[in-house]
Amino acid sequence: DAGVIQSPRHEVTEMGQEVTLRCKPISGHDYLFWYRQTMMRGLELLIYFNNNVPIDDSGMPEDRFSAKMPNASFSTLKIQPSEPRDSAVYFCASTHRGSTYEQYFGPGTRLTVT
Amino acid sequence: TQLLEQSPQFLSIQEGENLTVYCNSSSVFSSLQWYRQEPGEGPVLLVTVVTGGEVKKLKRLTFQFGDARKDSSLHITAAQPGDTGLYLCAGWNSGGSNYKLTFGKGTLLTVNP
Repeated sequence: DAGVIQSPRHEVTEMGQEVTLRCKPISGHDYLFWYRQTMMRGLELLIYFNNNVPIDDSGMPEDRFSAKMPNASFSTLKIQPSEPRDSAVYFCASTHRGSTYEQYFGPGTRLTVT
Repeated sequence: TQLLEQSPQFLSIQEGENLTVYCNSSSVFSSLQWYRQEPGEGPVLLVTVVTGGEVKKLKRLTFQFGDARKDSSLHITAAQPGDTGLYLCAGWNSGGSNYKLTFGKGTLLTVNP
């Protein structure tokens, strides 16, 4: 089975532009998580969904960030407008109820905002 | 807010040496996980410990959960270059449908040939 799929793998954009990151979770997983990783702050949870419904978005930095999960096989994280401080690696992860809480991570999207 | 402190932050050793990395918190966790992350990839689960005092072994890696379920350690025996990576601990607390993990900042291990 394919793992968690993220696209794009790398994104370079200019400050002020809109950025959309995409994630396809593992089939059958009903939890999806978006994380951001930086050297300074480590791995931070931004938001997570259960059965396509947002459960906890307390980690979303500000209104410039938004996330959607229109169906069980697709989620997006959007930044509008982007700023240089948003530069980081963004990970998507999924898991399912009944697992030993193991989260399966995608390869990440490295975002650079100039 | 629950925090997990990992130490050391960086560790560089020679092949064949032993090492221990630590994960500490002032909070109690229902379970604790260790992940390893290689450059350009996402973290991959190594082990989950659930019971206070629990010890689990994975080949040359030994994981221990503290009796009070507030801390954990990872010991590697005879480290190899393939052990190089970022080691992350993550804590989880039960409660309803909460599947939220709290991650430490990690220990970056380099094993030199």
